Amino acid sequence: DAKTTQPTSMDCAEGRAANLPCNHSTISGNEYVYWYRQIHSQGPQYIIHGLKNNETNEMASLIITEDRKSSTLILPHATLRDTAVYYCIVRGYNDYKLSFGAGTTVTVRA
Amino acid sequence: EAGVTQFPSHSVIEKGQTVTLRCDPISGHDNLYWYRRVMGKEIKFLLHFVKESKQDESGMPNNRFLAERTGGTYSTLKVQPAELEDSGVYFCASSQVTGNLYEQYFGPGTRLTVT
Repeated sequence: DAKTTQPTSMDCAEGRAANLPCNHSTISGNEYVYWYRQIHSQGPQYIIHGLKNNETNEMASLIITEDRKSSTLILPHATLRDTAVYYCIVRGYNDYKLSFGAGTTVTVRA
Repeated sequence: EAGVTQFPSHSVIEKGQTVTLRCDPISGHDNLYWYRRVMGKEIKFLLHFVKESKQDESGMPNNRFLAERTGGTYSTLKVQPAELEDSGVYFCASSQVTGNLYEQYFGPGTRLTVT
């Protein structure tokens, strides 16, 4: 019942920007876009979230298209430690559940 | 500040036995969640506590699973009797405020293997 579509996997060179796409064409007006990641053998980790505007924090940037039907998570300078499964999640304001899909397996290569 | 902790990190039990998983949320977090990933599947929500009250247990797979949160602090998830299909990783998460305002912080998970 995931509301998002992500590529299964992608590779990225260390030191380069990693751009992770996500489609959420059925997103409604009060739903946010969240990104989490799971590094091997750890629990999921919150990265960033946004509603309409682009957002940036110390970990990443989130670019949301004007029609909000897709978004891109940008890791500006990928390191080997960024190798993980990245999950794009659409979540309503009062929706406490996180609905994880299959995510994108990102492999950062030296 | 200590993060969410879970115990044990691994558990191997035989089919039919009982296992109890424990989660200690971040201090001050009223909301506590259990999720699990069974082999080959996606991470799925199990249930949500606000303090000691169960708000939503719609994701609990069946009545072999019992979650408690006595005193609104730590939580336990008991599986009795365990079946082979219960094998997987059980994650606990906590947050300060229900809803969107604060992200959920996850523990490292308990890997359960039922043989």
